[in-house]
Amino acid sequence: KAGVTQTPRYLIKTRGQQVTLSCSPISGHRSVSWYQQTPGQGLQFLFEYFSETQRNKGNFPGRFSGRQFSNSRSEMNVSTLELGDSALYLCASSIRLAGDSTGANVLTFGAGSRLTVL
Amino acid sequence: AQKITQTQPGMFVQEKEAVTLDCTYDTSDPSYGLFWYKQPSSGEMIFLIYQGSYDQQNATEGRYSLNFQKARKSANLVISASQLGDSAMYFCAMRVNNQGGKLIFGQGTELSVKP
Repeated sequence: KAGVTQTPRYLIKTRGQQVTLSCSPISGHRSVSWYQQTPGQGLQFLFEYFSETQRNKGNFPGRFSGRQFSNSRSEMNVSTLELGDSALYLCASSIRLAGDSTGANVLTFGAGSRLTVL
Repeated sequence: AQKITQTQPGMFVQEKEAVTLDCTYDTSDPSYGLFWYKQPSSGEMIFLIYQGSYDQQNATEGRYSLNFQKARKSANLVISASQLGDSAMYFCAMRVNNQGGKLIFGQGTELSVKP
């Protein structure tokens, strides 16, 4: 069973540019969440998509956006890049069963996309 | 405020010994889930173990066990018989009130296993 696939794994951009990162979830997983990981702020939740709709959003500026396609693949976009956007961007997928009240819905993470902004 | 605190930035353990990684959490919501993830230098987060707030027994998964003390709001990870491959960052995380894909993470503990 293939895991969560993120592309590209590494990329370098300059300030002011924009970037698009891609995430292919595990087959059958309908929820995709994105996280930013930096040495200073740690792991921070960006947003979650489920059935092509944004279901939850973290505290990030509007430059950070995302979308999900009908096959559950997701992309996130960062416009007008700043130096502080340099980070490891992690994508996670889960089944997110409707009516799951146990909370045990486990997120499976990809290996991440490491973005460097110069 | 919902928060996860990991007070041990780094820890060393001898191979084959047991080690406990500390995690305390803060939430006023009665329904929550606690997770531990391992992140090797490759970057991928690997799920280790889960504990629900209503679970009566401590969770166990192979060499991993979670020491859940609800009154103290702690959820410490115990790794028995440490192996060299256990060297990695370990993150404690919380999901509150079934908020889907949103986890709140602690700052992590870097574990180094000595041969």
